[in-house]
Amino acid sequence: DVKVTQSSRYLVKRTGEKVFLECVQDMDHENMFWYRQDPGLGLRLIYFSYDVKMKEKGDIPEGYSVSREKKERFSLILESASTNQTSMYLCASTSYHSPNYGYTFGSGTRLTVV
Amino acid sequence: QQQVKQSPQSLIVQKGGISIINCAYENTAFDYFPWYQQFPGKGPALLIAIRPDVSEKKEGRFTISFNKSAKQFSLHIMDSQPGDSATYFCAASGSGTSYGKLTFGQGTILTVHP
Repeated sequence: DVKVTQSSRYLVKRTGEKVFLECVQDMDHENMFWYRQDPGLGLRLIYFSYDVKMKEKGDIPEGYSVSREKKERFSLILESASTNQTSMYLCASTSYHSPNYGYTFGSGTRLTVV
Repeated sequence: QQQVKQSPQSLIVQKGGISIINCAYENTAFDYFPWYQQFPGKGPALLIAIRPDVSEKKEGRFTISFNKSAKQFSLHIMDSQPGDSATYFCAASGSGTSYGKLTFGQGTILTVHP
């Protein structure tokens, strides 16, 4: 069964900490995405990557950065965590060859910044 | 800027009833409209999708209706079941956007009472 795996289900971090969220996919997908999910706001795109070492800003990139050193791994970095970054973070991947460009999502990481 | 607007935010339906969720979009370059279903503790999963060359697509109890001139599309769930209780997201992307990037609506929490 194909998978997108996010390293942590729950994280609690302190304000000002540097936070790493890891995502790994085993489907050899070219494209990977980071979204955050907040009630009433839906899923908002933070960053995406269409190839190793390539990245593009999404709609809300401020306060975040990403790293993609290997095709299967896409990391989201919170440079200095703030309380307004408390959220559910979802990683997804897709391929140019996926039917209808269907995304495969991970189960999410619920991050709380205190 | 929310390019895909979804309503209602929450919906309660009796078992056997019809659930209807609506979305409207602004970007006329969008040409792919999927719906995703998310159960608690899980990431969203692709449910059904449509392209604007057809006005309706049906898969089992799930139907997408699409109105290109009004820039609206909707999800109809016939004979709704308690197992359909989940959060539903509409989304849109365009061939002109990068790498299958999806813009999501705000989400609808559907509760089906037995």
